[in-house]
Amino acid sequence: DAKTTQPNSMESNEEEPVHLPCNHSTISGTDYIHWYRQLPSQGPEYVIHGLTSNVNNRMASLAIAEDRKSSTLILHRATLRDAAVYYCILRSVVTSGTYKYIFGTGTRLKVLA
Amino acid sequence: GAGVSQSPRYKVAKRGQDVALRCDPISGHVSLFWYQQALGQGPEFLTYFQNEAQLDKSGLPSDRFFAERPEGSVSTLKIQRTQQEDSAVYLCASMGDGGTEAFFGQGTRLTVV
Repeated sequence: DAKTTQPNSMESNEEEPVHLPCNHSTISGTDYIHWYRQLPSQGPEYVIHGLTSNVNNRMASLAIAEDRKSSTLILHRATLRDAAVYYCILRSVVTSGTYKYIFGTGTRLKVLA
Repeated sequence: GAGVSQSPRYKVAKRGQDVALRCDPISGHVSLFWYQQALGQGPEFLTYFQNEAQLDKSGLPSDRFFAERPEGSVSTLKIQRTQQEDSAVYLCASMGDGGTEAFFGQGTRLTVV
């Protein structure tokens, strides 16, 4: 299973942009890059996903390297409610229609007021 | 409810006891996943269902772990003869047909004493 590597923790000041990096050097051509975040005592929640092109949604932006071996989640203006563990995940197609999400250890984001 | 519901939220079991953890996915969701999350770690994949078919059970750590989804909706994760190393949060997620976002429940925290 393809794995991801993320920094254990990062800090950001409130209202400033945050760039969360992820390395996935063994990614295969059919793997989608997904980001989820997990607030304390909650299950993970979806943030964004992409395949090759950069993606934007109301929560964040996803920048994907041309060789797809790395990606960056961008929170444009961090708030205290963004403090969470952020997981970069490869959604692998195991067989036709069968998916597997492989989580790493994630990055714990601390937002300073 | 609108989201994935798991019960119980907390379970304390004596070593050797059997436990059953329930997951109510979002109505109509085809895919259902179970994950195990140890303290301070990312979720680890256990098993995957597509409707009532268990298509991937490669993550189940031993034959003490058994999951079922007999009617393609509610799923139960059963752990027989629990051991201390089974203590973790067990997360369930569901996803709609052709969907790209997995919706997670809040999890069941199992403590084996």
